[in-house]
Amino acid sequence: GNSVTQMEGPVTLSEEAFLTINCTYTATGYPSLFWYVQYPGEGLQLLLKATKADDKGSNKGFEATYRKETTSFHLEKGSVQVSDSAVYFCALSDQRGGSYIPTFGRGTSLIVHP
Amino acid sequence: EAGVTQSPTHLIKTRGQQATLRCSPISGHTSVYWYQQALGLGLQFLLWYDEGEERNRGNFPPRFSGRQFPNYSSELNVNALELEDSALYLCASSREDRARETQYFGPGTRLLVL
Repeated sequence: GNSVTQMEGPVTLSEEAFLTINCTYTATGYPSLFWYVQYPGEGLQLLLKATKADDKGSNKGFEATYRKETTSFHLEKGSVQVSDSAVYFCALSDQRGGSYIPTFGRGTSLIVHP
Repeated sequence: EAGVTQSPTHLIKTRGQQATLRCSPISGHTSVYWYQQALGLGLQFLLWYDEGEERNRGNFPPRFSGRQFPNYSSELNVNALELEDSALYLCASSREDRARETQYFGPGTRLLVL
């Protein structure tokens, strides 16, 4: 079955530091890949997505590249802000055989200090 | 455009009671998904409804059930509540071609079972 593995957190950084949150996946088909963000007390919001190999998703300074050869979709940001403190979820979706179940990673908490 | 809405925002029940959670998808979205987000466990897929039918369910006991109405809104019912059912319950909706579509999440209902 499909699965998503994220690095465990929390990830603690100082403001303006470089961020990488690793995400790898296993899927039998050709999934779309997503990063969602959950701010404290809120639901999940889409951060970025990529629907095919070598696509790069980007939003709000975050970016991730769909790497089929390494089955990875690592999230990066060049300079984090305190307001980026949140939980980040990597996810995939893959429709096969008429059935569709999205798969989420366990989430990685990011804490950014001033 | 209104987002996904959920009600109530908070719900307190005692063991053995029943809980009913409600979700209204974004206009034009036909699919509704329910997730349980227990502390430290990430998102666990519960149920998927589309066009009024249950399309798939996650690894949860039958006391978790629901339905989707003709207007595509949805209810999640949890019978015989147990303490471990305490969690944030998230609803999400999407349009057709779901495998490549973003899921839009509501703010969640926080259920506390005493």
